[in-house]
Amino acid sequence: DTGVSQNPRHKITKRGQNVTFRCDPISEHNRLYWYRQTLGQGPEFLTYFQNEAQLEKSRLLSDRFSAERPKGSFSTLEIQRTEQGDSAMYLCASSQHESSTDTQYFGPGTRLTVL
Amino acid sequence: AQSVAQPEDQVNVAEGNPLTVKCTYSVSGNPYLFWYVQYPNRGLQFLLKYITGDNLVKGSYGFEAEFNKSQTSFHLKKPSALVSDSALYFCAVRSAYSGAGSYQLTFGKGTKLSVIP
Repeated sequence: DTGVSQNPRHKITKRGQNVTFRCDPISEHNRLYWYRQTLGQGPEFLTYFQNEAQLEKSRLLSDRFSAERPKGSFSTLEIQRTEQGDSAMYLCASSQHESSTDTQYFGPGTRLTVL
Repeated sequence: AQSVAQPEDQVNVAEGNPLTVKCTYSVSGNPYLFWYVQYPNRGLQFLLKYITGDNLVKGSYGFEAEFNKSQTSFHLKKPSALVSDSALYFCAVRSAYSGAGSYQLTFGKGTKLSVIP
């Protein structure tokens, strides 16, 4: 068990550019979650997948954001036409469904800075 | 809607003294409650959770938390603080109902714990 991994760890981009982040969950975990954390705040839920199906999306997830989990393993989060307000830490978590009490384990995050 | 309040932005405690980090919550139905710790520039690390049963939950690194349904609280405690416990602590809640949307965690704003040598 190597834990949840995220790449890149840091990303600096210019406003208007597109960025993509990757998350590799703990193997055999069938649920995967994306959260966003800004300075001084707790993480806020963005979306989650069960296997390859995206089952829930927050209204925080604007049309510029898209997430995929094509084979039910790793996931990508893409932000198109980045804005300075997108600057945040993007956290990925995974869990194994077990009697609905699954615990979410988090990766180290990708810190995005939009200039 | 579910919510979490952590009323203290910062808690300072001397090494060796007991510590308490406070959390209150609001959720429809029964809650599942979690504590996570975050070190600088790192992700969140799971400490413990309350699902059902005994109101006192024991977790990693000597931490424990007490669930109080009437006060809708889930305070994190440790009998003797260590300097290495200094970090940011987050309380989170989700509904026990396993319908759509119930798996998302709602977090508090976090409490910075400083243990003074």
